[in-house]
Amino acid sequence: EIVLSQSPGTLSLSPGERATLSCRASQSVSSSYLAWYQQKPGQAPRLFIYGASSRAAGIPDRFSGSGSGTDFTLTISRLEPEDFAVYYCQQYGNSLFTFGPGTKVDVK
Amino acid sequence: EVQLVQSGAEVKKPGESLKISCKASGYNFTSHWIGWVRQMPGKGLEWMGIIFPRDSETRYSPSFQGQVTISADKSISTAYMQWSSLKASDTAMYYCASGGSTAFDYWGLGTLVSVSS
Repeated sequence: EIVLSQSPGTLSLSPGERATLSCRASQSVSSSYLAWYQQKPGQAPRLFIYGASSRAAGIPDRFSGSGSGTDFTLTISRLEPEDFAVYYCQQYGNSLFTFGPGTKVDVK
Repeated sequence: EVQLVQSGAEVKKPGESLKISCKASGYNFTSHWIGWVRQMPGKGLEWMGIIFPRDSETRYSPSFQGQVTISADKSISTAYMQWSSLKASDTAMYYCASGGSTAFDYWGLGTLVSVSS
């Protein structure tokens, strides 16, 4: 089973700043199979990025995904107030899915 | 519009059985996987398992294999997850989610399951 780790656990930033979130896999993940989700308190998760770098429908272009192999990154170019949330990476491999533990982006 | 409507919150006692549901609409139910995800209070997301409704092919996370049973009734576009004997540690929010084979595009609002004596 592929294990995902995310860093940092919490990222404290101000609106307008750039956020860089990391997702690292215990073994190589196909880029096609790496996704990012946003979850706000009391809400269901929402798909933001799939295939490592493709934005899901309706996701603004300030969000971008990159990476390959075992290291993936979600970048928010300029934080808007609605972007403060928890972000999870997720991979699919060997017929199994796993989620990372999440990175909380909160207001500094 | 794609919708996944999950059954309502449940309050159960340890040892009781439970079956929760997820009714899909707005897309071809038999052509997309439906997965189940657990979120324990204050914790992260855990993938539990997934089913392909067309042929009921099912896969489970090793952590949940044997703990739950996932099924689907394509005649009513509904997926299910059931427990035969609940434990207090099953207290969590359970989400169903649908999508392609590698990511979950659409999510239900969740079913809160509380297990307490």
